[in-house]
Amino acid sequence: AQSVAQPEDQVNVAEGNPLTVKCTYSVSGNPYLFWYVQYPNRGLQFLLKYITGDNLVKGSYGFEAEFNKSQTSFHLKKPSALVSDSALYFCATPQRDDKIIFGKGTRLHILP
Amino acid sequence: EADIYQTPRYLVIGTGKKITLECSQTMGHDKMYWYQQDPGMELHLIHYSYGVNSTEKGDLSSESTVSRIRTEHFPLTLESARPSHTSQYLCASRMAGFSGNTIYFGEGSWLTVV
Repeated sequence: AQSVAQPEDQVNVAEGNPLTVKCTYSVSGNPYLFWYVQYPNRGLQFLLKYITGDNLVKGSYGFEAEFNKSQTSFHLKKPSALVSDSALYFCATPQRDDKIIFGKGTRLHILP
Repeated sequence: EADIYQTPRYLVIGTGKKITLECSQTMGHDKMYWYQQDPGMELHLIHYSYGVNSTEKGDLSSESTVSRIRTEHFPLTLESARPSHTSQYLCASRMAGFSGNTIYFGEGSWLTVV
């Protein structure tokens, strides 16, 4: 079965520092991978996705993600964190029956 | 920006009441989903639909029911609400035909059963 895992429940980063939110995947065939962000009392917002092509995917709000096939990872990154980036982040992948599987989420705290 | 709408956003109701959470999308998406999420926690798929007259139960057992009479509308109903139903309910949709199509979410409905 297709799956994704987010090994960190919480990540703390000082404002202005680079941030990384980790996601690893277990997918047979070509992986399709997504990142979403959730602010308090809101739904999930799409950030970016990997379908094929360049391993570095650029998305909304200055975020990017690096697809690494050898490490089966799709880590979310941003060069310089903002306090407003503090939120809950989910990676996701579709299953063969077309359901979407989400990781358990990583809470990102950006410290002023 | 996603055109998927959920109402009500917040609802407090008494035990035993019947409630319907509405979800509508104007993107013409065939596939629609309902997720349940406790605050700050993971998402659990409770229902999904591949199109009109199609409904399936998700991975988490739920006492709620859904219907899909029109493409754009996917309401969720609880016949008799209980405090254990207190949670956030997220509706989502995406285009059929390609697994890499993006799934879009509504803003969520917060349900509190007292």
